[in-house]
Amino acid sequence: SQKIEQNSEALNIQEGKTATLTCNYTNYSPAYLQWYRQDPGRGPVFLLLIRENEKEKRKERLKVTFDTTLKQSLFHITASQPADSATYLCALETDSNYQLIWGAGTKLIIKP
Amino acid sequence: DAGITQSPRHKVTETGTPVTLRCHQTENHRYMYWYRQDPGHGLRLIHYSYGVKDTDKGEVSDGYSVSRSKTEDFLLTLESATSSQTSVYFCAISEPGTSGSGELFFGEGSRLTVL
Repeated sequence: SQKIEQNSEALNIQEGKTATLTCNYTNYSPAYLQWYRQDPGRGPVFLLLIRENEKEKRKERLKVTFDTTLKQSLFHITASQPADSATYLCALETDSNYQLIWGAGTKLIIKP
Repeated sequence: DAGITQSPRHKVTETGTPVTLRCHQTENHRYMYWYRQDPGHGLRLIHYSYGVKDTDKGEVSDGYSVSRSKTEDFLLTLESATSSQTSVYFCAISEPGTSGSGELFFGEGSRLTVL
């Protein structure tokens, strides 16, 4: 079956360290993969999009990698801050059908 | 922030009653989506629209209908609400381009409780 997996357990990271979140998928051939941030009681907010032919994408303290062989995307936040605490969602899109398939998200907690 | 508003933001209703959620955008984006979000699940697509009067089903469309009579408004109707439809509903918009659907902009969500 097709599925997207993100670590369901909360990830606790010390402030200043790099946080790394994982998104694994099976039986998809995504053309694009996106990462979003969601705060409690709010809608998701777009962070980064990476294409299947891109290995890495960066935006300020954020970095996303995309390994289509491993069927995995990693999302890194460097120099993490308590304000980075949130749930992070990955979503993939296949065949440009304009429909995203979502992971359940990983809760990130940055401790001062 | 993208101009997306959802109404109502909170609603409690009884089983068997019809419910309509409204999504209004001021961005003139072509695509509009309705998702539901439940604990332990990713966002699941209910219906989406790619233009006025152009809609299609998503992954979990049973028990839901939609309408889009204007570019800016996308309505989600639960024809006869059931307890399994208790959820948080999100509207999103996008303007597809060179990166598929592109960035989705979300509303603040509508929390629906069906008793």
